[in-house]
Amino acid sequence: DAGVIQSPRHEVTEMGQEVTLRCKLISGHNSLFWYRQTMMRGLELLIYFNNNVPIDDSGMPEDRFSAKMPNASFSTLKIQPSEPRDSAVYFCASSFGVNRGYEQYFGPGTRLTVT
Amino acid sequence: QQQVKQSPQSLIVQKGGISIINCAYENTAFDYFPWYQQFPGKGPALLIAIRPDVSEKKEGRFTISFNKSAKQFSLHIMDSQPGDSATYFCAAVSGNTPLVFGKGTRLSVIA
Repeated sequence: DAGVIQSPRHEVTEMGQEVTLRCKLISGHNSLFWYRQTMMRGLELLIYFNNNVPIDDSGMPEDRFSAKMPNASFSTLKIQPSEPRDSAVYFCASSFGVNRGYEQYFGPGTRLTVT
Repeated sequence: QQQVKQSPQSLIVQKGGISIINCAYENTAFDYFPWYQQFPGKGPALLIAIRPDVSEKKEGRFTISFNKSAKQFSLHIMDSQPGDSATYFCAAVSGNTPLVFGKGTRLSVIA
C-alpha cells in the first residue's frame, strides 16, 4: 500500500489567494483527520470525518477554512482567503474508525507558506 | 478538548544514555495511550502504545511506564542513538473520540 498521499508537498501563495490541499486515504480506511502543525501550537486537530461524514469541525480556526470528502478515498482542505498566519504544515491521517483513532496513519504533510 | 500535558519540550541526550519523556492527563475515561514518533519532513507514526490495565510495555529499546493512580505515563528510550533524534508525541483516546495529542518533545541524541 502507498500509504496516505498528500498533495502538494509544498505550497507558497500570496495572502488573499485560495489554497486547496488534497489527501488520499489508505484503501479500506473510513476515518479521515486533518491536522495543522506549528512550533507554537503543536499538532492541532482541525476536523475529522467518519464514513465521509464530518463529525467534529470545532478545531477549524475560522470560516475561511473548509473541508470536504467527496468520496470514500479522497478529501480536500480549502483555505479562502489565505492569510500569513495560516502558514504551517498540514497533515491528513486515516484510520479504520474513530473508535480506533489511536491507530492513525499520517501522510507526509503539506508545508504551506502564505506571504 | 481534554488536554494531555507533555514534558520536557526539548531534550538533549548523549548517545547510549536514557531518554525520558513524561505525560500527564486528567480525563480518567482515556483507555489507550499511544506514542508517536515524527522525523523531520515526515508525518508522525505510531511507535508504541499501552492500555491502563498494564503498568509497563516494552518493545526493543522503547518502554512505556504507566501510573494509573497518578494519571501519568512516560516513554523511556534505552541506549539512545542518533537515529532516535525526532519529535515524540504522547496521546490519549477514549471511546469514539479521536486522539488527543501532547505538544511534543524534540529529542536530540548527540554522539
